[in-house]
Amino acid sequence: GAGVSQSPRYKVAKRGQDVALRCDPISGHVSLFWYQQALGQGPEFLTYFQNEAQLDKSGLPSDRFFAERPEGSVSTLKIQRTQQEDSAVYLCASSLTTEEAFFGQGTRLTVV
Amino acid sequence: GESVGLHLPTLSVQEGDNSIINCAYSNSASDYFIWYKQESGKGPQFIIDIRSNMDKRQGQRVTVLLNKTVKHLSLQIAATQPGDSAVYFCAETRPTGGFKTIFGAGTRLFVKA
Repeated sequence: GAGVSQSPRYKVAKRGQDVALRCDPISGHVSLFWYQQALGQGPEFLTYFQNEAQLDKSGLPSDRFFAERPEGSVSTLKIQRTQQEDSAVYLCASSLTTEEAFFGQGTRLTVV
Repeated sequence: GESVGLHLPTLSVQEGDNSIINCAYSNSASDYFIWYKQESGKGPQFIIDIRSNMDKRQGQRVTVLLNKTVKHLSLQIAATQPGDSAVYFCAETRPTGGFKTIFGAGTRLFVKA
């Protein structure tokens, strides 16, 4: 497709369950970003990849959060042992550089 | 601390009027700023950007103004339309800071027909 695609769009997880969120960036985009957006807040940076290299993971809130982009294209954000405070929309963005980024529609995660 | 924030959480304007959304930043080293528009259920959409070596940049119906003296950024939307109703975020990107983009909390724009 022409844009950034994220799946699933919605995910309901029981507390303690592991989840995996997928991001398909725009083809050819070198940079890939993950953000977490709580209700009524602006997106918060989680991590950044340049190709397959994870150059910045300073925003990951705990060691339960893990992101990978093994072939420099599709990326997966994994959250282990989910907790209620993990409930948020997780946004993925890609760009040719680190400037204008194109965002996907996000995955809304609800932990019950 | 470092922050990018907005003065008003909600702005209501009449269709056809001009809208001005304001934003303050605290890091004088910030060198690149972006305005995003986010509609309900969608990801943020790039509107316009500006570098710190500029004080004004114009797009289609939008203008961004940067005042580095008071660390203030504004987005002006001319002839506001119902389709402009959304949440608007200013954001700051500092490549030297690890390429992360820092978003403010957002201003919700309501356009009255």
